[in-house]
Amino acid sequence: DAGVTQSPTHLIKTRGQHVTLRCSPISGHKSVSWYQQVLGQGPQFIFQYYEKEERGRGNFPDRFSARQFPNYSSELNVNALLLGDSALYLCASSWTGDNNEKLFFGSGTQLSVL
Amino acid sequence: DAKTTQPNSMESNEEEPVHLPCNHSTISGTDYIHWYRQLPSQGPEYVIHGLTSNVNNRMASLAIAEDRKSSTLILHRATLRDAAVYYCILRDVSGGSNYKLTFGKGTLLTVNP
Repeated sequence: DAGVTQSPTHLIKTRGQHVTLRCSPISGHKSVSWYQQVLGQGPQFIFQYYEKEERGRGNFPDRFSARQFPNYSSELNVNALLLGDSALYLCASSWTGDNNEKLFFGSGTQLSVL
Repeated sequence: DAKTTQPNSMESNEEEPVHLPCNHSTISGTDYIHWYRQLPSQGPEYVIHGLTSNVNNRMASLAIAEDRKSSTLILHRATLRDAAVYYCILRDVSGGSNYKLTFGKGTLLTVNP
């Protein structure tokens, strides 16, 4: 069975640009979460979606947005990129996202902002 | 969210047991203790979780102190493939934010051949 897949794996952008990252969850999983991991730190929660509705949002500016599609895949969008947005962006999926379900993470998209 | 404290790094030898400690002195009664690990160039991977009793699975064992203020992840025979950052995370099942994981910096485990 395919795990969580993310695309692209690497991306280079310049300040002020916009970026879209994509995530396909494990088949049957209806919840998708996004995390940002800066070098040397643990991942930080950005968003969770369940059944196409936003369930939770972390402490990130409005430049960050996401959505979930009817097939449960998801996109993370970041506008007006800053140098500080350079990080590994991780997507995780689970059945419903709560009740102690384990999360399954993809390998991430490495974003570099120049 | 309740906080956890882990050593920054630990070192072990291949085929020896490894005990990774985690302190969580402010744990609440509804906090589950979760462990994830992150291998180089990969996303985090679930290892194990528990509430009060010790837990075993094919990857590891979780020993939880009687007062639940600390726990230990036990790898019975470390292999080179166990070299990773190990995160100890508390997850409150009663709260409205149990959908997210709050990661700290974790413990970087080095396994020597």
